[in-house]
Amino acid sequence: DAGVTQSPTHLIKTRGQQVTLRCSPKSGHDTVSWYQQALGQGPQFIFQYYEEEERQRGNFPDRFSGHQFPNYSSELNVNALLLGDSALYLCASSLAMGLAGSYEQYFGPGTRLTVT
Amino acid sequence: AQSVTQLGSHVSVSEGALVLLRCNYSSSVPPYLFWYVQYPNQGLQLLLKYTTGATLVKGINGFEAEFKKSETSFHLTKPSAHMSDAAEYFCAVSGNAGGTSYGKLTFGQGTILTVHP
Repeated sequence: DAGVTQSPTHLIKTRGQQVTLRCSPKSGHDTVSWYQQALGQGPQFIFQYYEEEERQRGNFPDRFSGHQFPNYSSELNVNALLLGDSALYLCASSLAMGLAGSYEQYFGPGTRLTVT
Repeated sequence: AQSVTQLGSHVSVSEGALVLLRCNYSSSVPPYLFWYVQYPNQGLQLLLKYTTGATLVKGINGFEAEFKKSETSFHLTKPSAHMSDAAEYFCAVSGNAGGTSYGKLTFGQGTILTVHP
């Protein structure tokens, strides 16, 4: 049973460019959350997708957008990249939010984004 | 709003010694609480969680944590440290089912655990 997978592993972009990161959830999971982890800090919640809709959003600008596909996989898009966007981007999958008591988020290995 | 404070960004113990990593949280609703471990260049692995019921929860690799509502704490312990425990540990909180922050994890800044032979 494959866990959460993310691609690419590493990425180098230039300021002002756009980037797309991809995530495939753990088998059986239907909810995907994205987190940004800057060096030396804890992960920060960007947003969460369920049923192909953004259900919750953290304190991130509109430059950060996402999408969820019918097969539950997800993309994170960041436009107009800034140096401060350099971080490890983590994807996490879970079961539907309504299943109280079964809630756990499983994390992928992350995508390391470097903006120069 | 929810927040998590991890006391001590670095903790160093000897192999075989007690491990104690401290976590205090702030939440306006009954929280769900989690401890995750992160090894270098890897994602996060869930160690244990508290949602409801018994306040002492046991996790993987011999770790356990106790939810103390009166102290708003969820400290992580392990009776005897092993070299393989060296990693960074994160405490996280989310709202409970039905709440607006359910599903959104708020993490602490992390504690790096070093284990000396």
